[in-house]
Amino acid sequence: EVQLLESGGGLGQPGGSLRLSCTVSGFSAGPYAMSWVRLTPGEGLEWVSGISATGGSRHYADSVQGRFSVSRDNSKNTLFLQMNSLRADDTAVYYCASHLGDYYEGTALSHWGQGTLVNVSS
Amino acid sequence: DLQLTQSPTFLFASVGDRVTITCRASQALSNNLAWYQKAPGRAPKLLIYATSTLQSGVSSRFSGSGSGTEFTLTISSLQPEDLATYYCQQLNSYPPRGFTFGPGTKVNIK
Repeated sequence: EVQLLESGGGLGQPGGSLRLSCTVSGFSAGPYAMSWVRLTPGEGLEWVSGISATGGSRHYADSVQGRFSVSRDNSKNTLFLQMNSLRADDTAVYYCASHLGDYYEGTALSHWGQGTLVNVSS
Repeated sequence: DLQLTQSPTFLFASVGDRVTITCRASQALSNNLAWYQKAPGRAPKLLIYATSTLQSGVSSRFSGSGSGTEFTLTISSLQPEDLATYYCQQLNSYPPRGFTFGPGTKVNIK
C-alpha cells in the first residue's frame, strides 16, 4: 500500500524554523517529482514547493520564496521542507504529495500524505 | 499572473443528482488541469488529470472536460460519500504563484 507520512509539524515561533519530513512507503519515490501543498481554512489549497525526481530542479511559491527550502533523499525515500523565518500566515496543514511524472510541471499530484499541522504563534 | 475561479462556491444537491462544477482560468491553459476531492478529515485525492483522464481507482461517475479557459468536473450521480470540497489545479505555469489551485467548491448533500 502506498503511504506518505509527514512529520515535524507543531508550534513554531514567528521568525523561527521548523523542518518537515515526508517518508514514503509502498513504492519508490525516486522516479517521481514531489511537492508540498498546504491547506488553510480561509485560503484553501496552496502549492508551496516542488522538486524534480533527481532533485536537480526546485521551485517555490512567491509566498515562501527565500524562506523555505525543499530537498529529498531518494536513498531513504524521504522528502524534506526546511521552513525558516516563519510567519503567522504560514499556519496550515502541510501535505506532501508525489507527482505522476519525474517533473512537477504538467503532472498532477497522485498520492498524498495525511498532513501535518504547523501553527506559527508566539 | 494565472488565476483560477470556481463556480459555484457552495452546492447543495440530492443523492442521485448530476452535479457540475466549473473552473475558469484567467488565460488559456493547455490540458494541464487536474481535479481533487478533499473530504473532511481525509487527504486530498486526485480524481481527474490532463483535463479528462480518470485517475486509477476513481469511480467512473466522475468525469472532466473542457479546453482553453473553461473546464468542468461532473459527478453523474451524487453519492453520500461525495460530500467534500472540490478543487481544480493548473499545472501549466509556476511563476509567479506556482501551480495554483482554484478556491474550491463545497458540495453538500441535501
